[in-house]
Amino acid sequence: DTEVTQTPKHLVMGMTNKKSLKCEQHMGHRAMYWYKQKAKKPPELMFVYSYEKLSINESVPSRFSPECPNSSLLNLHLHALQPEDSALYLCASSQVSGGLTYEQYFGPGTRLTVT
Amino acid sequence: LAKTTQPISMDSYEGQEVNITCSHNNIATNDYITWYQQFPSQGPRFIIQGYKTKVTNEVASLFIPADRKSSTLSLPRVSLSDTAVYYCLVGDYRSQGAQKLVFGQGTRLTINP
Repeated sequence: DTEVTQTPKHLVMGMTNKKSLKCEQHMGHRAMYWYKQKAKKPPELMFVYSYEKLSINESVPSRFSPECPNSSLLNLHLHALQPEDSALYLCASSQVSGGLTYEQYFGPGTRLTVT
Repeated sequence: LAKTTQPISMDSYEGQEVNITCSHNNIATNDYITWYQQFPSQGPRFIIQGYKTKVTNEVASLFIPADRKSSTLSLPRVSLSDTAVYYCLVGDYRSQGAQKLVFGQGTRLTINP
């Protein structure tokens, strides 16, 4: 199984809502990532988890709150978002072995619209 | 992380070989060169990675000259389904700890019938 799954595929939320994005992988990867991608732009890294611990936060606003409850799951909790946060949110994972980190596998993304 | 420069867009035809060149003048000794492919509304997909000379897999070849300041992704006999954005990334992606990918603007490849 070389798949990263993300739910939901699409999400529309108001600026006062609280919602969560979910990402799952069963490849035994111990590094997991959140990216944000605006239309016709490259993906931008948001957060990195390594062995279930947050290791990189790219100065993301606190209205985005990541969580890694176990080695297979990654969540992104959303609260009080702004319309400019509308984007494709991508999750990825990569194998960590022998102290080395290998290529990332990406999920299909969640298309988020903030109204 | 080394900055990369790629053509913004390229056009080709079915059955042709396509070569996309990436410039990375500030590549460091420990850096690898990695290429990803992305279709609209999908996540990027790893294509190939190399350090020097030539790497080939079932999808593509990667040519890296001795000075490593550039690299060329070669797609043999392209089809319409190869229409996508191709990203060249350079970094010490095999280093210990977290892996930070910085995507450049990519090359939008369009394959015509």
